[in-house]
Amino acid sequence: SQQGEEDPQALSIQEGENATMNCSYKTSINNLQWYRQNSGRGLVHLILIRSNEREKHSGRLRVTLDTSKKSSSLLITASRAADTASYFCATARDTGRRALTFGSGTRLQVQP
Amino acid sequence: DSGVTQTPKHLITATGQRVTLRCSPRSGDLSVYWYQQSLDQGLQFLIQYYNGEERAKGNILERFSAQQFPDLHSELNLSSLELGDSALYFCASSPAGGWTGELFFGEGSRLTVL
Repeated sequence: SQQGEEDPQALSIQEGENATMNCSYKTSINNLQWYRQNSGRGLVHLILIRSNEREKHSGRLRVTLDTSKKSSSLLITASRAADTASYFCATARDTGRRALTFGSGTRLQVQP
Repeated sequence: DSGVTQTPKHLITATGQRVTLRCSPRSGDLSVYWYQQSLDQGLQFLIQYYNGEERAKGNILERFSAQQFPDLHSELNLSSLELGDSALYFCASSPAGGWTGELFFGEGSRLTVL
């Protein structure tokens, strides 16, 4: 079963605009990660935020985490056509288990 | 390139058949994970191996089995295949120590069951 649910399921924006994707999860976590998947390809790790962190930045990416609401958001600023992909949040539980549980993903389309 | 190699990239077979998917983790990584990605179920964790031993089990069917060999490569065996087993099967790996939390994914094996 899915641990997280992404919202929206699909998002279409113009180049240069910001894209925001949200993720909700159900159980307590050790960390939350965001991955990107180009169509039919493998997943690529983007950013990890630990349960004791509230915000993290990496280049054009900004991730927030609210453990009280069991939710996270991924913001991509100044989007580019090359950002077109599916984005997944993934959680690692605080039991130390390394296997990640993935959300359902957001399909982002950036129009040039 | 993540350094994780999966073969074959594509596989077409018939219902009732058996297939084996192979994964070579990144050099030095001891953990291997198998995931199934289908349109209706999303990304599902199947099983994890660490240095040859099963470490965690997810939503893996009894018709499926896996193992990790002494050279750390892993194989996922799918038997008595059904139409619903058509999916992308991903292998991922992670290092033993100093783990930052991320998994490194291969490009996947696309299985089509006809």
